[in-house]
Amino acid sequence: GAVVSQHPSWVICKSGTSVKIECRSLDFQATTMFWYRQFPKQSLMLMATSNEGSKATYEQGVEKDKFLINHASLTLSTLTVTSAHPEDSSFYICSARDRRNTGELFFGEGSRLTVL
Amino acid sequence: GNSVTQMEGPVTLSEEAFLTINCTYTATGYPSLFWYVQYPGEGLQLLLKATKADDKGSNKGFEATYRKETTSFHLEKGSVQVSDSAVYFCALSDSGNTPLVFGKGTRLSVIA
Repeated sequence: GAVVSQHPSWVICKSGTSVKIECRSLDFQATTMFWYRQFPKQSLMLMATSNEGSKATYEQGVEKDKFLINHASLTLSTLTVTSAHPEDSSFYICSARDRRNTGELFFGEGSRLTVL
Repeated sequence: GNSVTQMEGPVTLSEEAFLTINCTYTATGYPSLFWYVQYPGEGLQLLLKATKADDKGSNKGFEATYRKETTSFHLEKGSVQVSDSAVYFCALSDSGNTPLVFGKGTRLSVIA
């Protein structure tokens, strides 16, 4: 089946630094990618919708200047957590929809961010 | 707006027990319905799906039937195994480019 890869899978950083997470669709083109955030023992909360070649659409309450999303190509979207703080520590998951498909999303393995 | 309500866990079962995880939804139109599974330390994987009323999705012994009249998509398995221990998420999608809306997830622990 389709594969979505995230990198890094685990990152620890100091407070105040910025961290970039990559999401790649390995064997299909994704015009749309979604970024979710998952807190411990909770569900996935949609952060933003990333469309190739245009600005991301952020959900209410998500700071766009804090979580920079770039979708520069049909196979790559990046999420940059700027000036990270301990409260940004979380599990970030991307998903991508095959441009030839509707309904089913393919998920990355997730990236666990720990901010010290 | 669209929403998904799952039964709260955690659920603990003995091996070979029958499993039901309830899921109901609220949506405009006719959404597609999904069950995703998240094994410890891993990302989400699609377990099964149904795209229209009365469809039954099935995979790895799990089944769920899209019930429009009760707006439900309950997950069932006749005989669970220890390897089924995971978090299960019910989700829906309207269509096209809309993102999935997830339930809160139900943690299942199966003990030998």
